[in-house]
Amino acid sequence: DTGVSQNPRHKITKRGQNVTFRCDPISEHNRLYWYRQTLGQGPEFLTYFQNEAQLEKSRLLSDRFSAERPKGSFSTLEIQRTEQGDSAMYLCASSFTGGLTLNTEAFFGQGTRLTVV
Amino acid sequence: AQSVSQHNHHVILSEAASLELGCNYSYGGTVNLFWYVQYPGQHLQLLLKYFSGDPLVKGIKGFEAEFIKSKFSFNLRKPSVQWSDTAEYFCAVNARGYQKVTFGTGTKLQVIP
Repeated sequence: DTGVSQNPRHKITKRGQNVTFRCDPISEHNRLYWYRQTLGQGPEFLTYFQNEAQLEKSRLLSDRFSAERPKGSFSTLEIQRTEQGDSAMYLCASSFTGGLTLNTEAFFGQGTRLTVV
Repeated sequence: AQSVSQHNHHVILSEAASLELGCNYSYGGTVNLFWYVQYPGQHLQLLLKYFSGDPLVKGIKGFEAEFIKSKFSFNLRKPSVQWSDTAEYFCAVNARGYQKVTFGTGTKLQVIP
């Protein structure tokens, strides 16, 4: 499967615990995005990377959230001291931009569903 | 900041009926526009996109959308729906030159055989 891969698919954690999610983008894609989707809503932008550089962060991304993309390949999203309001589907997407290719769509993974109890 | 409004939250159609899902966005500058579909249990997939050129865009599975700049709209259409079109449809926009994509709240389409 050459699509965007996210692990784990489901995570149940107790309030106050830390969790980390992983995203493996499509191999030649240099841009990687994290979104969050809650019930009844569309995906909300959290952050994006171009290669290893984190270039934009949403105000939704509180200090408890941190994302990394070491070496510009896979990415991790960590949530510290989870709260019940963090329960959501966390989506990763990737795209390619380079040369004359300026406008490309993002390809999404299946997401990690986080439940904080 | 851009925003997207999808007027219909839940649409129920019989097979062979025609479909039109409304999408309006607010942003003063140049935009890229998308429709994504999410089938039950599956990930978001791109149906079609508009970046520039012909405002009538054709996508996969017989879907099309028309960008009307004066109305800030990008409505999705299909002349004859099938049961397999049952899914949730999201309209999305991003400001040209920026990476943040803003999604609407989605429209759940249920097609009855």
